[in-house]
Amino acid sequence: NAGVTQTPKFQVLKTGQSMTLQCAQDMNHEYMSWYRQDPGMGLRLIHYSVGAGITDQGEVPNGYNVSRSTTEDFPLRLLSAAPSQTSVYFCASSRQGTNQPQHFGDGTRLSIL
Amino acid sequence: GNSVTQMEGPVTLSEEAFLTINCTYTATGYPSLFWYVQYPGEGLQLLLKATKADDKGSNKGFEATYRKETTSFHLEKGSVQVSDSAVYFCALSAGGGTSYGKLTFGQGTILTVHP
Repeated sequence: NAGVTQTPKFQVLKTGQSMTLQCAQDMNHEYMSWYRQDPGMGLRLIHYSVGAGITDQGEVPNGYNVSRSTTEDFPLRLLSAAPSQTSVYFCASSRQGTNQPQHFGDGTRLSIL
Repeated sequence: GNSVTQMEGPVTLSEEAFLTINCTYTATGYPSLFWYVQYPGEGLQLLLKATKADDKGSNKGFEATYRKETTSFHLEKGSVQVSDSAVYFCALSAGGGTSYGKLTFGQGTILTVHP
């Protein structure tokens, strides 16, 4: 059982480049989300989805796009990378319900030069 | 809006010492509360949770009690081990409708345990 799989694990980009962070889960979870982790700030929600075809913004959505065409996949796109987007990105999934724990991937460490 | 405040870190302890990491929250309604742990180079893992007032979550010797009157969810362990060295995050999940599952995190507390 793979759980939540994120690729790549590491990436270095130049300012202005675009890229897509991949996230896939095999638990048939309705809810998926993307967080960024920055020192001293915990994790902040970027975008989330409550099911295929449904997405919404989180706390820090600017500069990022998402789509949810299938239950399993939830890619995060950086449109034009900026140094402020240097961070560790985590994808998570869960069943429906506020008391359901989130299952996290191992993260993607992204550096923007 | 919702918010979570954790005690300032990092925390350094000797093996077998008692651990407390404070966590207080602000939320509308009745949130579910969680502690997640992050080991070096890994994603976050659920450590324990509590979904209503006075519930006690426990796992691997760690405990936390949902205190509505003090809006707190402090993490405790009676005797820490070197293998407990990690970053600990307090988090809450609140709201209904499409808000379900959205976590609000504290800033994290780095715990280092020395032999």
